[in-house]
Amino acid sequence: GENVEQHPSTLSVQEGDSAVIKCTYSDSASNYFPWYKQELGKRPQLIIDIRSNVGEKKDQRIAVTLNKTAKHFSLHITETQPEDSAVYFCAAPRYSGGGADGLTFGKGTHLIIQP
Amino acid sequence: NAGVTQTPKFRVLKTGQSMTLLCAQDMNHEYMYWYRQDPGMGLRLIHYSVGEGTTAKGEVPDGYNVSRLKKQNFLLGLESAAPSQTSVYFCASSYSGIQAFFGQGTRLTVV
Repeated sequence: GENVEQHPSTLSVQEGDSAVIKCTYSDSASNYFPWYKQELGKRPQLIIDIRSNVGEKKDQRIAVTLNKTAKHFSLHITETQPEDSAVYFCAAPRYSGGGADGLTFGKGTHLIIQP
Repeated sequence: NAGVTQTPKFRVLKTGQSMTLLCAQDMNHEYMYWYRQDPGMGLRLIHYSVGEGTTAKGEVPDGYNVSRLKKQNFLLGLESAAPSQTSVYFCASSYSGIQAFFGQGTRLTVV
């Protein structure tokens, strides 16, 4: 099965600055990498995902990059705002393929936006 | 369109008691999952189902059972609750194994 490592566990940035969260995975055949945002007391919500056939994907202020050779992918948030404060989780399919057998999650990054 | 709905939202059990958590989805998704979330541990897969009538073990299945008698419902059972099962439980569903949608969670405390 897949193993996902996520760093850092806590990240504090000034409002308006950029934030980067990095994840590594173990199975070179993994082909789908989602990122979830979880606000305090709420459910995880998918914010962006990337397939292994592309190296980068953007959606307004958030972007995800994928380096298949190094087996790592990163979440980039630019021009951070107070509402970006949350816990962010990366994930990868438990087994090779698209995730039908479920996802393996990183342990999460608590992003704190300082005013 | 309610998405994924979990029942109940909160529950306190005594050690040894049993209970069933219900997950219902109205998106006609084939795949459904039960995860547990503990502080500093992320989300860990308990059991999952790839279609009506099917179930499979995930990463941490011990002490839990599941059933998927109807496509829209996925039940998680605890036969004899233990304090180690104190956690927040999330159900999720997915059309094809990607872009999972989560329910609002059930906070379970076992005393």
